[in-house]
Amino acid sequence: KAGVTQTPRYLIKTRGQQVTLSCSPISGHRSVSWYQQTPGQGLQFLFEYFSETQRNKGNFPGRFSGRQFSNSRSEMNVSTLELGDSALYLCASSSGTIGTGELFFGEGSRLTVL
Amino acid sequence: DQQVKQNSPSLSVQEGRISILNCDYTNSMFDYFLWYKKYPAEGPTFLISISSIKDKNEDGRFTVFLNKSAKHLSLHIVPSQPGDSAVYFCAPHNTDKLIFGTGTRLQVFP
Repeated sequence: KAGVTQTPRYLIKTRGQQVTLSCSPISGHRSVSWYQQTPGQGLQFLFEYFSETQRNKGNFPGRFSGRQFSNSRSEMNVSTLELGDSALYLCASSSGTIGTGELFFGEGSRLTVL
Repeated sequence: DQQVKQNSPSLSVQEGRISILNCDYTNSMFDYFLWYKKYPAEGPTFLISISSIKDKNEDGRFTVFLNKSAKHLSLHIVPSQPGDSAVYFCAPHNTDKLIFGTGTRLQVFP
């Protein structure tokens, strides 16, 4: 069973640009969550999608957005990039309700903003 | 608003000894608590969990203890092995999302 796949793995952007990250969940999983990991901040929850609907949202500005497609694949977009957006962005999938079962994470997309 | 705190950013333990990783939280509505382990260049992987109705859950070398009155949980690894060297995150569950702590980097040396 293939795991969670995130693309691209690494990317470099400059301030003001925008970026789109992609996540393919485990086959059969309908929930996709996104997290931002920065040194000293742990994993901060961005949002969660379930069956193409945003079900939960963290405390991030509107520059951060996402969507989910009918095949459960998800994308997240960050517009008007700032230096502080440099981070590892992790995608996780699960079959449904997060709390009763574990999340399965991808390897992440490491974004560097110059 | 730090609902979940792992106050020890790092911990160094000798192989064969016990590793104790701590986590404090503020939200009494958390109903499920998970621990994740993360190696460099990999995504976090689920390790062990505990329901809020229990105070202990054991899985092999890993045991998680929950003290609801103190809003504190801990992960015990006995005996510690070099392969356990990783970053450990506690992640309480609340309303269909996990809230991760800042992590503790565990290093197990021979």
